[in-house]
Amino acid sequence: DSGVTQTPKHLITATGQRVTLRCSPRSGDLSVYWYQQSLDQGLQFLIQYYNGEERAKGNILERFSAQQFPDLHSELNLSSLELGDSALYFCASSLGGLAVNNEQFFGPGTRLTVL
Amino acid sequence: GNSVTQMEGPVTLSEEAFLTINCTYTATGYPSLFWYVQYPGEGLQLLLKATKADDKGSNKGFEATYRKETTSFHLEKGSVQVSDSAVYFCALMVRSGGSNYKLTFGKGTLLTVNP
Repeated sequence: DSGVTQTPKHLITATGQRVTLRCSPRSGDLSVYWYQQSLDQGLQFLIQYYNGEERAKGNILERFSAQQFPDLHSELNLSSLELGDSALYFCASSLGGLAVNNEQFFGPGTRLTVL
Repeated sequence: GNSVTQMEGPVTLSEEAFLTINCTYTATGYPSLFWYVQYPGEGLQLLLKATKADDKGSNKGFEATYRKETTSFHLEKGSVQVSDSAVYFCALMVRSGGSNYKLTFGKGTLLTVNP
């Protein structure tokens, strides 16, 4: 158990809908990262927050947004969902910002299926 | 840009066989290199890392050596066990500006070890 929790575990929804994925980082970790894992694209970095502020952006679509709250949990919002958004979404956390000696700890993921 | 190429799986071995999973990279600057492992139904875990040329990372019997001349970081284990069955990801980290770093993953290699 990494200490990172994600809810829900599974999510099934229809095209055009909007969903929210939630992540609670390990106790004491200030950074939260979101990743998308799909068969064709592999593991793609979406976005990073550090202590409530956006720190880095990866391949995140404009239909997607995220935020980190004062209690440091984070939510990833996916809107106008398309079939291609079906994937496993991982959250990771680390004590500080991304760095070589600052290990990321991954949650178990949320599997999103868009029908 | 930065990229990681790892051998396509799946790789199927018998218990106690020798394992090699090839990984090569393209990066600007001097990356740090990582291997992550994802066991079924779980998030990624850091397996080992190397931060400079000729460094050898090792953990749980796995090893990988940072070869700058061949831009490679191949993962090896002398005798695999059934419990090593998982997906293995090679990754690199480079500085993306200021104090920010970026982590880029390969597509992953599925390893199945049969008793």
